[in-house]
Amino acid sequence: RKEVEQDPGPFNVPEGATVAFNCTYSNSASQSFFWYRQDCRKEPKLLMSVYSSGNEDGRFTAQLNRASQYISLLIRDSKLSDSATYLCVVNLEGGNYQLIWGAGTKLIIKP
Amino acid sequence: DAGVIQSPRHEVTEMGQEVTLRCKPISGHDYLFWYRQTMMRGLELLIYFNNNVPIDDSGMPEDRFSAKMPNASFSTLKIQPSEPRDSAVYFCASSLTGGGALYNEQFFGPGTRLTVL
Repeated sequence: RKEVEQDPGPFNVPEGATVAFNCTYSNSASQSFFWYRQDCRKEPKLLMSVYSSGNEDGRFTAQLNRASQYISLLIRDSKLSDSATYLCVVNLEGGNYQLIWGAGTKLIIKP
Repeated sequence: DAGVIQSPRHEVTEMGQEVTLRCKPISGHDYLFWYRQTMMRGLELLIYFNNNVPIDDSGMPEDRFSAKMPNASFSTLKIQPSEPRDSAVYFCASSLTGGGALYNEQFFGPGTRLTVL
């Protein structure tokens, strides 16, 4: 089993719809969690950190479920510009970086 | 700020040749990371530095790979000799420590697209 797993997609979603995808992690000692966005042939960029209490940034909502060991990303009122690959990142332990990246979920927003 | 700078942006070389990738982190950032991304394996952390010191190189695939950071504003990743399976996009990223290193954003450079023939 991979340490961080994501559904690769693609998720084909009509513009304006709500879409959600999850990322599961295997190590219960994981400390911090992030969603990065990567456009085609570009570098990853931080979308949002994921806090224990959940957090929202505009149309984006991130949730953490430690009991079931997954994080989720919800996108409301999706825009064409949301088309990208969304990468889940988990830092396994405190102190040093042990960043494990998911393979990403590809999202395609259709007009 | 110009962001993380990487060079070259594209590199095509023949098997057996030495390849050197370069990175200039964002000024003031004290962590620097080298990643490799392929379709098959996704994004893999190769090595990271803190204050120019290599902290964890467990992701470096083989002895053919080496990385240095002679000063706070420059790092290199070298592959010698290169092989076709090294073909990938290599990203450099940097981040700050303050506020808790675990939670800080990594800023990526545009990447170097390496093709080994």
